Amino acid sequence: AQKITQTQPGMFVQEKEAVTLDCTYDTSDQSYGLFWYKQPSSGEMIFLIYQGSYDEQNATEGRYSLNFQKARKSANLVISASQLGDSAMYFCAMREGWAAGNKLTFGGGTRVLVKP
Amino acid sequence: ETGVTQTPRHLVMGMTNKKSLKCEQHLGHNAMYWYKQSAKKPLELMFVYNFKEQTENNSVPSRFSPECPNSSHLFLHLHTLQPEDSALYLCASSQGTTDSIYGYTFGSGTRLTVV
Repeated sequence: AQKITQTQPGMFVQEKEAVTLDCTYDTSDQSYGLFWYKQPSSGEMIFLIYQGSYDEQNATEGRYSLNFQKARKSANLVISASQLGDSAMYFCAMREGWAAGNKLTFGGGTRVLVKP
Repeated sequence: ETGVTQTPRHLVMGMTNKKSLKCEQHLGHNAMYWYKQSAKKPLELMFVYNFKEQTENNSVPSRFSPECPNSSHLFLHLHTLQPEDSALYLCASSQGTTDSIYGYTFGSGTRLTVV
């Protein structure tokens, strides 16, 4: 079974609008971390935002916020006021505890294209 | 500049060639990783090194041979590759392998084409 599922292979969004990227995860660990990365066409994976499993508040970093719904095992990324430079692949990832090997496991990604 | 530097950025090699990918980080991290990113596939973890010791080999074919001489440098030696090995190879580092709060810092990758 996939540990991280991103159901949207691609999305268009109008410049200055908000966009929500879906991510669901599967783990039996109580302690885990959820991450979002951005990958522009240059290939580099850029860290955007982190949410710990014990964090009660949703994480925010500038225009990025993470809608964390623990009971539903979802960690959706919201990008507000989209910019042309936001066009990229976006990956959701999870890092489980030591019992699961502490590896960072990635979803299949969502390609976002921001239209002017 | 991400703090993790990978060279070369692009590499084209024949199936009988031997080449090496290099990764370097000066972030003080003690864990380093190799990932493979193929078209239309999720990122695949290949190898994990913690304090220079290999702690994971994710069933990677022996034509890929990693080397970690110290905590700051990681190599991936390539020989007799196949066309299906063409992919983006990403190196990453992290502060440790025992705490889930730490994400990874990635390099820009080496785009490998096997002809």
